Amino acid sequence: LAKTTQPISMDSYEGQEVNITCSHNNIATNDYITWYQQFPSQGPRFIIQGYKTKVTNEVASLFIPADRKSSTLSLPRVSLSDTAVYYCLVGAPSYNQGGKLIFGQGTELSVKP
Amino acid sequence: SAVISQKPSRDICQRGTSLTIQCQVDSQVTMMFWYRQQPGQSLTLIATANQGSEATYESGFVIDKFPISRPNLTFSTLTVSNMSPEDSSIYLCSVVRGWETQYFGPGTRLLVL
Repeated sequence: LAKTTQPISMDSYEGQEVNITCSHNNIATNDYITWYQQFPSQGPRFIIQGYKTKVTNEVASLFIPADRKSSTLSLPRVSLSDTAVYYCLVGAPSYNQGGKLIFGQGTELSVKP
Repeated sequence: SAVISQKPSRDICQRGTSLTIQCQVDSQVTMMFWYRQQPGQSLTLIATANQGSEATYESGFVIDKFPISRPNLTFSTLTVSNMSPEDSSIYLCSVVRGWETQYFGPGTRLLVL
């Protein structure tokens, strides 16, 4: 399983764009990259998933370079409610290959007014 | 997405006792996972529970301590046996829906005195 490395914490201000980068040098060919958000006392919530290039949804964008050894989660115009822990996970399709997702330490994002 | 419920949402237990946590999913899923999140820590995978087969435990977790049942495709239970204060954690179940998207329940917050 590919290990992931993220910054432990980040600070930002309301209205700014936040970019959280995750390193995964040993990513395998079949691995997808998934980001989760977790608020205190809640289960992690799926944000975005990608395999390569760029993926965008209503919440965030995910940038993956050609070598796939890193990925960047981009949160546009953050608000106080985006204060949470963000996890980057790398893994193969669980259903088809019996794989599993392993959580790293995550990045604690603090958004200030 | 997936709608996952857990019971109980929280509990306070005495050491030496056991607690069974229930996880209910809104539709059939093949794979279910149980995680533990100790205070201030990331999530740690306890085991993978497939319907009709024995659960697969991760290193450091054993069936005698964390027996798991998976009687059908929408339900699973995790029992925390012979509890000690070190078992105080949030316990979360999750399921895979779609290609590699894992959805989490709200968690069960356990305090062992």
